[in-house]
Amino acid sequence: GAGVSQSPSNKVTEKGKDVELRCDPISGHTALYWYRQSLGQGLEFLIYFQGNSAPDKSGLPSDRFSAERTGGSVSTLTIQRTQQEDSAVYLCASTTLGTNTIYFGEGSWLTVV
Amino acid sequence: QKEVEQDPGPLSVPEGAIVSLNCTYSNSAFQYFMWYRQYSRKGPELLMYTYSSGNKEDGRFTAQVDKSSKYISLFIRDSQPSDSATYLCAMKGYNQGGKLIFGQGTELSVKP
Repeated sequence: GAGVSQSPSNKVTEKGKDVELRCDPISGHTALYWYRQSLGQGLEFLIYFQGNSAPDKSGLPSDRFSAERTGGSVSTLTIQRTQQEDSAVYLCASTTLGTNTIYFGEGSWLTVV
Repeated sequence: QKEVEQDPGPLSVPEGAIVSLNCTYSNSAFQYFMWYRQYSRKGPELLMYTYSSGNKEDGRFTAQVDKSSKYISLFIRDSQPSDSATYLCAMKGYNQGGKLIFGQGTELSVKP
C-alpha cells in the first residue's frame, strides 16, 4: 500500500474485554514498531519487530499486552482484559534496513469504558 | 529524568514569525535525529531527518544538531497558519533498527 495502514481507526470497548489492533506496514518494509500516545503526551515505545522477530519488547507495559507479526508483514497488537488506563492512540510505524526514515500510520484510537 | 526533554508549550506566534523548537537529551549514543509534525487526530509525519551534528535545511525548515551540548533545534521561517500542529523531536542510537525515543511534543499555534 501507499502508507502504513491501521485498523480499526476507532474502538470503544468495555473494561475487561480483549481488543486486537492491526497494522499493515508499507510494502517491503522489514521493521515495524508499535507506540502508544496518551492525551497530550509524547509517543511511548511498546515493541519493535525486525521481520517476524521482536528483538525489543521492553516497552510492553504488562503481560496483558502482546504482539505478533506474521509473514514479515501484518502485525497484531493484542490487549487482554482492558483497563481504563489503556485508553490511548496506538500508532504503528515501519521502515526498511539501510534507512532511518520511519513512517507512521494514522493510529487506532482506543477508548475503554 | 527523561532521556529526551521537550517543552510542551503551547507556543503561539503571529503569522510570518520565526519559530524555534528545541529538545535536549541525555544519551550520548544518539546519532540520528528527527522532527515529526502531528496534526490533530493524525499520525506523526516525518518532517526532517539529520545524522550526527550539523545543520540541514529544507524550504522554510532548518534542523540543527549540537551533539556536544546534547541539544537539537527546529527553526521554521515565515511561519504559516498551516504550520499549527504539535512538533515532536525523536532520536535513536547508531544501530540499524532499534527504537525511536520521542520528546513530549510542542504544540504550536500560528495566528493569522
